[in-house]
Amino acid sequence: AQSVTQLDSQVPVFEEAPVELRCNYSSSVSVYLFWYVQYPNQGLQLLLKYLSGSTLVKGINGFEAEFNKSQTSFHLRKPSVHISDTAEYFCAVGGSQGNLIFGKGTKLSVKP
Amino acid sequence: KAGVTQTPRYLIKTRGQQVTLSCSPISGHRSVSWYQQTPGQGLQFLFEYFSETQRNKGNFPGRFSGRQFSNSRSEMNVSTLELGDSALYLCASSSGGVSSDEQFFGPGTRLTVL
Repeated sequence: AQSVTQLDSQVPVFEEAPVELRCNYSSSVSVYLFWYVQYPNQGLQLLLKYLSGSTLVKGINGFEAEFNKSQTSFHLRKPSVHISDTAEYFCAVGGSQGNLIFGKGTKLSVKP
Repeated sequence: KAGVTQTPRYLIKTRGQQVTLSCSPISGHRSVSWYQQTPGQGLQFLFEYFSETQRNKGNFPGRFSGRQFSNSRSEMNVSTLELGDSALYLCASSSGGVSSDEQFFGPGTRLTVL
């Protein structure tokens, strides 16, 4: 069965510091991977996605992620975070049943 | 282009009642998916409709049902509400497949069951 594990439930970081949010997946089929962000009282917004091709994917708001097939990982990174990046981040894999399977989420808290 | 809209935004019901939630997708999108979000279980896929047909279904009991109209608007119904149904229900639309296309999410309907 496909699954997604987000290794950190909460990540506190100071403003302008780099951040990495970790995501591991398990899938025996072709992998489509996504990162979504959810701001308080809002729906989810796509940050970036990997379908095929280059393993380094660039997204919105300065985020990027690297697909690593051998380690079954898709970690999200940003070199310098802002207060406005405070939100919950979800990693997801496209399911073989035509659905999206989400991780439990990582709450990023950026402190001044 | 207008985004995905969901109505109502908040609902309070009591156990045993039923509820209907509504979702209007982005214009031109034919796929509408529903998700349940809870602190304990996270985001779980309920079902997806495409061109008025249920195309995919998650592992939820039959009390959870949905439908899609010819204008792609979708409704989700939960019958015989239980306390555990309290959650944020999110609707998402896309132009094609759920597993590979970007999903555009609405703000959700917060359901509280007392």
